[in-house]
Amino acid sequence: AQSVTQPDIHITVSEGASLELRCNYSYGATPYLFWYVQSPGQGLQLLLKYFSGDTLVQGIKGFEAEFKRSQSSFNLRKPSVHWSDAAEYFCAVGAKGRRALTFGSGTRLQVQP
Amino acid sequence: EPEVTQTPSHQVTQMGQEVILRCVPISNHLYFYWYRQILGQKVEFLVSFYNNEISEKSEIFDDQFSVERPDGSNFTLKIRSTKLEDSAMYFCASSDSGTDTQYFGPGTRLTVL
Repeated sequence: AQSVTQPDIHITVSEGASLELRCNYSYGATPYLFWYVQSPGQGLQLLLKYFSGDTLVQGIKGFEAEFKRSQSSFNLRKPSVHWSDAAEYFCAVGAKGRRALTFGSGTRLQVQP
Repeated sequence: EPEVTQTPSHQVTQMGQEVILRCVPISNHLYFYWYRQILGQKVEFLVSFYNNEISEKSEIFDDQFSVERPDGSNFTLKIRSTKLEDSAMYFCASSDSGTDTQYFGPGTRLTVL
């Protein structure tokens, strides 16, 4: 069965600082990997995805993520955080031929001025 | 940019009542999904729907739940006899036939009293 672990429940960074949110997955074959962001009162917005190919993927709002098969990780990064990035971030895993996404428990990002 | 929309944004109901949550997926999408997020917990897959039938469902999606595409634009989730533990945020999502990228709506918060 698929599973996703986001070890950090809550992270606080200063505006302008760099950010890395961790995601580890468990899945037997090559996974499809996603990062979604949820702002308060909003739905889940897709930030980026990895299906195959280049292991460094670029997303919206200046985010990127790197797929590392050897570490079963798909960490999300941003070089300089903006106050508007404060939100909850979810990593999710899917698989070819299956429609269900499995989500991590989320990381809440707080940005200090 | 096309979006998934959901109505209502918040529904309050009494235990034992039937509720119908409504979704309008992105217009050229063919796959539709429902997920739920109980407060403080992970986003969980409920069901996927394609070609007017359920293609995949989770253990959560028992006989109390049903889905329907009553016309060319709407996708609904019905809970026949609500329980207190059905209180959650319910997200609708859709994807097209060529990718496995799911786009989520803003959610309906269901409160069962």
